[in-house]
Amino acid sequence: NAGVTQTPKFRILKIGQSMTLQCTQDMNHNYMYWYRQDPGMGLKLIYYSVGAGITDKGEVPNGYNVSRSTTEDFPLRLELAAPSQTSVYFCASSPGANYGYTFGSGTRLTVV
Amino acid sequence: AQSVTQLDSHVSVSEGTPVLLRCNYSSSYSPSLFWYVQHPNKGLQLLLKYTSAATLVKGINGFEAEFKKSETSFHLTKPSAHMSDAAEYFCVVSDGGGTASKLTFGTGTRLQVTL
Repeated sequence: NAGVTQTPKFRILKIGQSMTLQCTQDMNHNYMYWYRQDPGMGLKLIYYSVGAGITDKGEVPNGYNVSRSTTEDFPLRLELAAPSQTSVYFCASSPGANYGYTFGSGTRLTVV
Repeated sequence: AQSVTQLDSHVSVSEGTPVLLRCNYSSSYSPSLFWYVQHPNKGLQLLLKYTSAATLVKGINGFEAEFKKSETSFHLTKPSAHMSDAAEYFCVVSDGGGTASKLTFGTGTRLQVTL
């Protein structure tokens, strides 16, 4: 059972480039989330989804977009990369309220 | 609104001595609370969770936490630290009242274990 799989693990982008961070889960969880982790700041919620076709903004959505066409996949899109988006990105999924999350192993993104 | 405050950004203990990582929370609902651990360059792993059942919660690797409503605290403890416990620990509160079960993370406590 793979759990939550994120790709790529590392990426360096130039300012203004775009990319998609992939996230796939095989646990049939309805809820999926994207967080970013900056040093000393904990994790901040970027976007989340409660099911296929439904997404909503979190605490720090600016500069990002998401889609949820299937239960399994929840990609995060950066359209115009900026140095402020240098961070570690975590995808997570959950079967519902109060269950806690299963996290992916993260994507370390550097924008130069 | 909900929030969580981890009172120590860094804790250092000797191997074999007790561990105490402190967490206070604020929530408009009856909260669900979690502790997650993150080892260097790894993802986050659930240690334990409180969801309005027993106030003393036992987790993996010998950790436990006690929910104290009167003190709005959810401190993490372990009787005897092991070198493998060195990691970053996050206290987390769930909104509970929403449909998406969004989690709010504390800023983390880095646990150092020395010989």
